[in-house]
Amino acid sequence: EPEVTQTPSHQVTQMGQEVILRCVPISNHLYFYWYRQILGQKVEFLVSFYNNEISEKSEIFDDQFSVERPDGSNFTLKIRSTKLEDSAMYFCASSEGTGSNQPQHFGDGTRLSIL
Amino acid sequence: GNSVTQMEGPVTLSEEAFLTINCTYTATGYPSLFWYVQYPGEGLQLLLKATKADDKGSNKGFEATYRKETTSFHLEKGSVQVSDSAVYFCALKNSNDYKLSFGAGTTVTVRA
Repeated sequence: EPEVTQTPSHQVTQMGQEVILRCVPISNHLYFYWYRQILGQKVEFLVSFYNNEISEKSEIFDDQFSVERPDGSNFTLKIRSTKLEDSAMYFCASSEGTGSNQPQHFGDGTRLSIL
Repeated sequence: GNSVTQMEGPVTLSEEAFLTINCTYTATGYPSLFWYVQYPGEGLQLLLKATKADDKGSNKGFEATYRKETTSFHLEKGSVQVSDSAVYFCALKNSNDYKLSFGAGTTVTVRA
C-alpha cells in the first residue's frame, strides 16, 4: 500500500537555525498537509496546500513557517528561525481530495528537537 | 469552531476485555468523523470513519457509530489483543474545511 514518507525521523537543531522537514506524499494525491504534536498535547493543524498554493493555515503558521513543493514529489516545511517551543513531532499528510471518502494519510512523523 | 473531546487515559486492560473510548464533538455543519490509531514508533493510521448520522464505521474488530443526537462517536472493541496497544485519536472534518481537528488522544495498554 502506498505510504507517505517523511525524512529525517529525528532532527536536532540549535535555536535560531533554519530547519527543513521533508515529505514525499502518496503519488496520486493532490492535497498536502502539515500537522504538529507538542509532547503531551493534541495534534494541531498547521497548513494545507493544493495546486501550489496554501489553501488553509492555522494561527500557528506564522511568518516563520513556509511550505513548498519544489518538484513533483517532495513537499517541505521550513521553519526560518527555530524557537524552543517549535520542538514537537511534525506529521505530513496527503489526500486525493477533500471529500468525506478521501481521508488524509499520514507519515510516521519527524521529531524536531530544538536545543 | 470545531472541537473534539476524548476520554482521558491511560486505559489499561487485560486481553479479551471490552474496550470503549468515548468521543464527543462540537462542530458547525455536518462533519465527517474519524478514528486514527498510532502504534508505538509509528505515524497516524486511519482506523475507521463515518460520514453521516447513524453511519457505523468498522475495521479490525473496532466499531464506532456517528450519533448526531448526542454528538458522539465512541470507539468500541469487544475483545482486545495485546497488539491493540496504541494511542487512539478521535477527529472530525467539516466538508468545507481542509483540516482535521483532533482530540487529545487516549493511550490504551492491553496486558496479556
